[in-house]
Amino acid sequence: DAKTTQPTSMDCAEGRAANLPCNHSTISGNEYVYWYRQIHSQGPQYIIHGLKNNETNEMASLIITEDRKSSTLILPHATLRDTAVYYCIVRPHSGGGADGLTFGKGTHLIIQP
Amino acid sequence: DTEVTQTPKHLVMGMTNKKSLKCEQHMGHRAMYWYKQKAKKPPELMFVYSYEKLSINESVPSRFSPECPNSSLLNLHLHALQPEDSALYLCASSPSRTSLVNTEAFFGQGTRLTVV
Repeated sequence: DAKTTQPTSMDCAEGRAANLPCNHSTISGNEYVYWYRQIHSQGPQYIIHGLKNNETNEMASLIITEDRKSSTLILPHATLRDTAVYYCIVRPHSGGGADGLTFGKGTHLIIQP
Repeated sequence: DTEVTQTPKHLVMGMTNKKSLKCEQHMGHRAMYWYKQKAKKPPELMFVYSYEKLSINESVPSRFSPECPNSSLLNLHLHALQPEDSALYLCASSPSRTSLVNTEAFFGQGTRLTVV
């Protein structure tokens, strides 16, 4: 799986959009970008994934650059409950998680009141 | 039901004890996993079961013994652990290796294990 680079930590004001960047310059053509988050003392939670088009669901939006070397996860209206470690993971879709997920260090997002 | 249930939530065991962690899901997923997470570190994959067969063992010491008795259950048997094995143990499940639909993994809340 391709390696990802994320900032160690970020702050965001409550109610504002939180934009979390991820670099994955070695991504290959069949690899998707997945985002998970882990709230303190809980199990990781799936957020969103995408291949090359921008994606949106009820939790977040995922913007992938045209060259696919980086992406941004957007939480449109951050709340205190969004404080968590956010993991960007690049992996092939076929077989999906059946080979297990390789977590990097992630970004600790802190939402400030 | 989109839950992965792990029991117990907390476990304290001595180095000579034998204990088991349990994980259950009823989403029809055919891939199940054990992860270990030390404090302030990301989860690390330990084992992968696919269709009730062990498919990946990430060089885990034999004092950790996984078992998948059926497609809904996953156990992790613990014996002669060391204090450094104290960690959060996470179970997860996902659709099968051959699934072409969304293959997100669902995680349980974990068992916090302390070895004394």
